[in-house]
Amino acid sequence: EAGVAQSPRYKIIEKRQSVAFWCNPISGHATLYWYQQILGQGPKLLIQFQNNGVVDDSQLPKDRFSAERLKGVDSTLKIQPAKLEDSAVYLCASSLYAGSNTGELFFGEGSRLTVL
Amino acid sequence: QKEVEQNSGPLSVPEGAIASLNCTYSDRGSQSFFWYRQYSGKSPELIMSIYSNGDKEDGRFTAQLNKASQYVSLLIRDSQPSDSATYLCAVNNQGGKLIFGQGTELSVKP
Repeated sequence: EAGVAQSPRYKIIEKRQSVAFWCNPISGHATLYWYQQILGQGPKLLIQFQNNGVVDDSQLPKDRFSAERLKGVDSTLKIQPAKLEDSAVYLCASSLYAGSNTGELFFGEGSRLTVL
Repeated sequence: QKEVEQNSGPLSVPEGAIASLNCTYSDRGSQSFFWYRQYSGKSPELIMSIYSNGDKEDGRFTAQLNKASQYVSLLIRDSQPSDSATYLCAVNNQGGKLIFGQGTELSVKP
């Protein structure tokens, strides 16, 4: 079974530039998550999709971050314009069931963003 | 108060010892609790889940839950150097959101 695919793995940009990350979840997984993990911290949920609808985006900085999940499969997370504090690993995860009650999230390898 | 709190460590134990990792949470209505392991530079992977008070054992790992005290722990028996990683406590709160703690770094010395 293929895992969660993410790209790019690494990205270096200057502040005020834009960046986009892509994620393809495990086939059949209805729920998709984007987490931000700053060095030395635990993952912080940015947005959760159930199929192609948003379940939770309460911690997404909507003035600069956007995310979409067209057709309920893969997803894109965009940051525009980037700030220094956006330097982090952006983790995409998927789960078979809604609400993550099983807690079993499958994570991709992450996209490491460095903002200079 | 953070929703899920862990000691950041690092926690250092000798090989073969028991490693004890602790976690507290603030949402009393939380129903499900998880431990993820994250090796350096890698993504988190689920190692244990626990839903009811008491102990749950899986090989060398034991998860313990005390809902009255809002406390979750993970014990690793016969610790191995390969257990060296950051252990993330995650709690599914009443809103159905999975909240992670900041993680405890464990170092097992040969």
